[in-house]
Amino acid sequence: NFMLTQPHSVSESPGKTVTISCTGSSGRIAASYVQWYRQRPGSAPTTVIHENDQRPSGVPDRFSGSFDSSNSASLTISGLKTEDEADYYCQSFDGANVVFGGGTKLTVL
Amino acid sequence: QVQLVQSGAEVKTPGASVKISCKASGYIFTAYYMHWVRQAPGQGLEWMGMINPGGNHINYAQKFQGRVTISRDSSTVYMELSSVRSEDTAVYYCAKPPLGVYYGMEVWGQGTTVTVSS
Repeated sequence: NFMLTQPHSVSESPGKTVTISCTGSSGRIAASYVQWYRQRPGSAPTTVIHENDQRPSGVPDRFSGSFDSSNSASLTISGLKTEDEADYYCQSFDGANVVFGGGTKLTVL
Repeated sequence: QVQLVQSGAEVKTPGASVKISCKASGYIFTAYYMHWVRQAPGQGLEWMGMINPGGNHINYAQKFQGRVTISRDSSTVYMELSSVRSEDTAVYYCAKPPLGVYYGMEVWGQGTTVTVSS
């Protein structure tokens, strides 16, 4: 089964830059776009990146997505703010099933 | 603007069925897939299935095959889960994909809490 692996948690200080990785199994992440979602406690997820590197309207350009030919994708958040503290999930597709990563808890301290 | 409004919280006893609705507005409903995703307490996001714009092609996650039914009409998508058990206690979300990437999610519903308890 196709899987996406994320770090369980990351932490960084306000104003700094953090990168969250998302690694696909079996070399298959390259076949589909990767999306990234943010979820604050008690709230529904919101989309911060779709199609590897596209920001929906309203998402600040501090958020960027990238895709690496070595079977991984990354979400980078620059100029960290305390409001960025949340869980972040990557998501892709194996041709039949949508697959989510396990989520990364970002702490901004 | 695009909105997905889900039905209210449900409390079910084990073995019952639950049906949740997701009413869409602000876009051409018949042009987009729709997904259902759930999240158990303290856990990550789990995809349940998706339905195509015409409602005649539905992919279910293998875990839910035989227990979940996704359907749609002119403006609403439904998800019915049968034979519920305590492990089905979760928040259930519908989500609309962006244009051109039917397997992604762009806009999410507010979530519906389903509690299964005897």
